[in-house]
Amino acid sequence: DADVTQTPRNRITKTGKRIMLECSQTKGHDRMYWYRQDPGLGLRLIYYSFDVKDINKGEISDGYSVSRQAQAKFSLSLESAIPNQTALYFCATSDLHFSGYNEQFFGPGTRLTVL
Amino acid sequence: GDSVTQMEGPVTLSEEAFLTINCTYTATGYPSLFWYVQYPGEGLQLLLKATKADDKGSNKGFEATYRKETTSFHLEKGSVQVSDSAVYFCALSRGGATNKLIFGTGTLLAVQP
Repeated sequence: DADVTQTPRNRITKTGKRIMLECSQTKGHDRMYWYRQDPGLGLRLIYYSFDVKDINKGEISDGYSVSRQAQAKFSLSLESAIPNQTALYFCATSDLHFSGYNEQFFGPGTRLTVL
Repeated sequence: GDSVTQMEGPVTLSEEAFLTINCTYTATGYPSLFWYVQYPGEGLQLLLKATKADDKGSNKGFEATYRKETTSFHLEKGSVQVSDSAVYFCALSRGGATNKLIFGTGTLLAVQP
């Protein structure tokens, strides 16, 4: 079984709809991240969380919100979807050691289309 | 702020050709540098990394050397295979509490038999 799972894998929705993307992990990691990937722009960080009580904005958080329901679950919500939020969304996790870099492990992605 | 620039693709090669994908970075100090690979329909996987100047990361026949003097981390492979077809991302991180990754735009590699 995959260590980092995302649901749904594909979603088509309409402008103005609320949508939630879910991420679960079995790696026991404290840190979780949400990125979006757009062609020609690479991956950009939306939100990240160190634990269930700690949520932080990334570089492109406008129009998004998140919820860390448990150590293993981190959800991304679009309160009112708009077409320029059409993208590939990735969840990632990493361990929490304050010195050095901790490898991030990515889920398979959710392809979201907003019509 | 920190940034990563990598060559635009797509890069199309024949099997067994030599591969170079250029990556340069802008950052103060000594960030860690990475190459991630994204195979079709999958998430990103760490391919290799280097944490200090002159370090060479290597994995699956791929190599990259952390060059502080040229602020570069070019990815190379001596003989590519069809199975290497993927999108390759160069990235940097300062680690620490936030552990954030800053990605380049990605380079699509297509290897033809």
